[in-house]
Amino acid sequence: AQSVSQHNHHVILSEAASLELGCNYSYGGTVNLFWYVQYPGQHLQLLLKYFSGDPLVKGIKGFEAEFIKSKFSFNLRKPSVQWSDTAEYFCAVNDGPGGNKLVFGAGTILRVKS
Amino acid sequence: EPEVTQTPSHQVTQMGQEVILRCVPISNHLYFYWYRQILGQKVEFLVSFYNNEISEKSEIFDDQFSVERPDGSNFTLKIRSTKLEDSAMYFCASRRGTSGGTLDFGPGTRLTVT
Repeated sequence: AQSVSQHNHHVILSEAASLELGCNYSYGGTVNLFWYVQYPGQHLQLLLKYFSGDPLVKGIKGFEAEFIKSKFSFNLRKPSVQWSDTAEYFCAVNDGPGGNKLVFGAGTILRVKS
Repeated sequence: EPEVTQTPSHQVTQMGQEVILRCVPISNHLYFYWYRQILGQKVEFLVSFYNNEISEKSEIFDDQFSVERPDGSNFTLKIRSTKLEDSAMYFCASRRGTSGGTLDFGPGTRLTVT
């Protein structure tokens, strides 16, 4: 069964610092990849997704992620974080075009100091 | 923009009691899901539902759990006899029907079993 690993559980950054959150998945077939964000007290929201095509995908709020098939990775990046980016970030994978469900990583809690 | 809604936002119940968590998925969506997140742990898949039947369920979704779509709009999760370990945030999600498509999540119901 597919599994997702997120390398950092807690990250603390100062405003304007660059961000990279690691995500690796286990199964090497066709996958769809997602990053969701959960702001304090709010529900899970889609940040960005990769289905096919350009492996560098851009999402909302200046986030981007790069799909590297050979490394089974889908790392999330942002060049300059803001205090409002404080949230929990979840990487998720769907088992290919016919996949019915998302499998989530454990999440990374990001705290941005102002 | 249409959203998935869930009620109640917080439910406190005693061990052994039955609870019903309610969700209203986005109206033109066809696939429905329940996920849960125990405090400090990852978001876990419970069950998916399509065409008025369960399409997939996890090991967590044992005989104590059931789902129903009693009318054209609601999607419920019932736990027959709650246990302490059922305390978690329960998220409902839906998607339109594109294979591998994005899930839209509700805000969650925090279930506390005492």
